[in-house]
Amino acid sequence: EAGVVQSPRYKIIEKKQPVAFWCNPISGHNTLYWYLQNLGQGPELLIRYENEEAVDDSQLPKDRFSAERLKGVDSTLKIQPAELGDSAVYLCASSLEGPGTGSTDTQYFGPGTRLTVL
Amino acid sequence: AQTVTQSQPEMSVQEAETVTLSCTYDTSENNYYLFWYKQPPSRQMILVIRQEAYKQQNATENRFSVNFQKAAKSFSLKISDSQLGDTAMYFCAFTNRDDKIIFGKGTRLHILP
Repeated sequence: EAGVVQSPRYKIIEKKQPVAFWCNPISGHNTLYWYLQNLGQGPELLIRYENEEAVDDSQLPKDRFSAERLKGVDSTLKIQPAELGDSAVYLCASSLEGPGTGSTDTQYFGPGTRLTVL
Repeated sequence: AQTVTQSQPEMSVQEAETVTLSCTYDTSENNYYLFWYKQPPSRQMILVIRQEAYKQQNATENRFSVNFQKAAKSFSLKISDSQLGDTAMYFCAFTNRDDKIIFGKGTRLHILP
């Protein structure tokens, strides 16, 4: 079974430039998560999707970050414009079901995209 | 608000030894789930073990086991017969049925040959 796929694995951009990350979850997984992971820290949730619906985006900085999950499968996370402080690893994860559905299932993580903003 | 605390930023043990990673959490919930995730240098996070709070029996997965003390809000991970491949960051995580998963800051574990 293929795992969560993310691309690109690495991205280097200059500040004020836009950047986009792509995630393909495990087939059949309804719930998709985007996390931000700073160096030496645990992941922090940015947004969670149940199918096409963003059910928790309270931690997403909406002035510069946006996300979408068209057709409830693949998802993209965009930053525009990028700032120096956005340098981090962006992790995508998926699970069969998510919190609030009566079943808290295991999250499977992708390899992440390491973003460096110069 | 729920919090997860890992008090050991970094640990080193010799290969084949047993090591215990500590984790404490704070919650007013009664039903919740606890996880240990492993993140090797390649950065792919993988689940090591999970525990449902309503289960009194400690979860075990091969060389990995937990000591779940609900009253003390403690959830430690024991790795027996440690191997070089166990070298990684280990994250303790918490979630209840209706909220997001919260991760601790991690423990960097080095297994020495």
